[in-house]
Amino acid sequence: KNQVEQSPQSLIILEGKNCTLQCNYTVSPFSNLRWYKQDTGRGPVSLTIMTFSENTKSNGRYTATLDADTKQSSLHITASQLSDSASYICVVSAGTASKLTFGTGTRLQVTL
Amino acid sequence: EADIYQTPRYLVIGTGKKITLECSQTMGHDKMYWYQQDPGMELHLIHYSYGVNSTEKGDLSSESTVSRIRTEHFPLTLESARPSHTSQYLCASSDPGTGFRETQYFGPGTRLLVL
Repeated sequence: KNQVEQSPQSLIILEGKNCTLQCNYTVSPFSNLRWYKQDTGRGPVSLTIMTFSENTKSNGRYTATLDADTKQSSLHITASQLSDSASYICVVSAGTASKLTFGTGTRLQVTL
Repeated sequence: EADIYQTPRYLVIGTGKKITLECSQTMGHDKMYWYQQDPGMELHLIHYSYGVNSTEKGDLSSESTVSRIRTEHFPLTLESARPSHTSQYLCASSDPGTGFRETQYFGPGTRLLVL
């Protein structure tokens, strides 16, 4: 069964600090991996997307990495801001890009 | 910001009522999806469509139904709402022409509370 596991489940950091979120997946065949940001009560918004041939992708202060051999991905957030407070969801496509397996997300809270 | 819209954003309704959640997108995407998400939980696919007159059930069993008469419109209907239907419903669309980079764009969601 395809699965995506994320850690930590929740995280609290001070504004300005960096953090790294983890994603392990068992999805086959692998098509791509995305990180989404979901603000409370809103729909997810795509941050990065990586196919099997890419091992890093940046979007501003967000940098995602992918190790297809160990089936692991991470999302690094640099110089966090209060607006980064949200859930970050790792999503993996199997076969056709329409078939998605969602992680439960990491709930990040950035405080003063 | 994706051009995909959902109405209503919030809905409180009594048991037994019929409701329709609206979803529309202006991106011309062929593929559209409905997900259900409970607080703090992952998204579960309940319906999808690959184009006009095409609808399929998703991985999570749902008592809702959908229709796809126009490319831009993908409404979801509950014939008789029950408290167990209380959840957030997210609509999404994607362009299959982008291949391996196909990305689903999500609407803002409808929060449904059935009393």
